[in-house]
Amino acid sequence: GAVVSQHPSWVICKSGTSVKIECRSLDFQATTMFWYRQFPKQSLMLMATSNEGSKATYEQGVEKDKFLINHASLTLSTLTVTSAHPEDSSFYICSAREQIASNQPQHFGDGTRLSIL
Amino acid sequence: GQNIDQPTEMTATEGAIVQINCTYQTSGFNGLFWYQQHAGEAPTFLSYNVLDGLEEKGRFSSFLSRSKGYSYLLLKELQMKDSASYLCAVRDNYGQNFVFGPGTRLSVLP
Repeated sequence: GAVVSQHPSWVICKSGTSVKIECRSLDFQATTMFWYRQFPKQSLMLMATSNEGSKATYEQGVEKDKFLINHASLTLSTLTVTSAHPEDSSFYICSAREQIASNQPQHFGDGTRLSIL
Repeated sequence: GQNIDQPTEMTATEGAIVQINCTYQTSGFNGLFWYQQHAGEAPTFLSYNVLDGLEEKGRFSSFLSRSKGYSYLLLKELQMKDSASYLCAVRDNYGQNFVFGPGTRLSVLP
């Protein structure tokens, strides 16, 4: 089945550090990937849609200069949290969907728990 | 606009049956998905409905009524490991993005 790999699983770093998170589709090509953020006991909130070969589409309220997204290939999207601060601490999850059939679900990576000290 | 509603929390007993409801009002509809999410983990896909009716998958079943904007997830023979959050998600007309509901935290008690 479709597998999405996300790395790293955990990041603990100092305030002001930039953090890069990778999302890979391992056995399928994904022209579109999605980045979500989830705070404790809350649901997934879509941050942005990552499009291969073009600019990402950001949801309202998400700063594109702070959350840099690059989708350079059909199997890799990266999210960089620039100059992270404690309020950016959250669970970040990526997902991708096989394009072959419209009934395909999104497949999620294992998520990255980001803690900014 | 997009609005998906689910109960916040539910409690049930091991071995019992529980039904988790989801109502939605979205600008378009191209399928409804249910996901299970254990604390600290990513969601895992459970079921998919695009036509009205019941889809059964082992201990899990999901029902959809498009005219009512309503779905439910039915869990039978509950096990302790079923304690998790259950997310209802609707795919919009463009077929790309999913809109997730707030999730229902299910606690299964012995």
